[in-house]
Amino acid sequence: QITLKESGPTLVKPTQTLTLTCTFSGFSLSTSGVGVGWIRQPPGKALEWLALIYWDDDKRYSPSLKSRLTITKDTSKNQVVLTMTNMDPVDTATYYCAHRGAIAGGYYGMDVWGQGTTVTVSS
Amino acid sequence: DIQLTQSPSFLSASAGDRVTITCRASQGISSYLAWYQQKPGKAPKLLIYAASTLQSGVPSRFSGSGSGTEFTLTISSLQPEDFATYYCQQLNSYSFTFGPGTKVDIK
Repeated sequence: QITLKESGPTLVKPTQTLTLTCTFSGFSLSTSGVGVGWIRQPPGKALEWLALIYWDDDKRYSPSLKSRLTITKDTSKNQVVLTMTNMDPVDTATYYCAHRGAIAGGYYGMDVWGQGTTVTVSS
Repeated sequence: DIQLTQSPSFLSASAGDRVTITCRASQGISSYLAWYQQKPGKAPKLLIYAASTLQSGVPSRFSGSGSGTEFTLTISSLQPEDFATYYCQQLNSYSFTFGPGTKVDIK
């Protein structure tokens, strides 16, 4: 059974750097084709895709946020870390991590999601 | 950067109705499209991938079609548990954008 859980601060101040950790179980991020991504959702708004890291350390970022994001993995700890610099109140959102399996090659979606963690940006 | 639009943005329907949601991509994405269902306060759930392949465990009343730039999600007979917001996502390009969502509400 695949599970993912997000952790990190619930409150950050403007201009600070946010660090979120996704701790997962039930799969290995060293398995060919597997990836873990981050998605966020501001209150009452749509999902926004942020970043994804693959088993081979291939990294993908949202073009609009690329300069502020860094995604890394620690395969031995079963963790993926997302950092976002220069936080602003508009970054207030629920942040999700999700698993992307190797089924169907590049056609597959994000099939297992964490419960999400709410981050508020305020001074 | 590939953009997705969805129509309608809001849909009011009754149980038993057939519902169709459209997702359009700003450029061709072959069949690299997934659909998700999200209920309030919950994480999204993968319904369909590769534009038309039903994810394991998803009821057969859900179906997807399309390729290139236009895609549809159809619910053949809306059930009470289907009232939710639906998102499409493209997985063709370097970044995997989501559509703006379609909220399906009870008439």
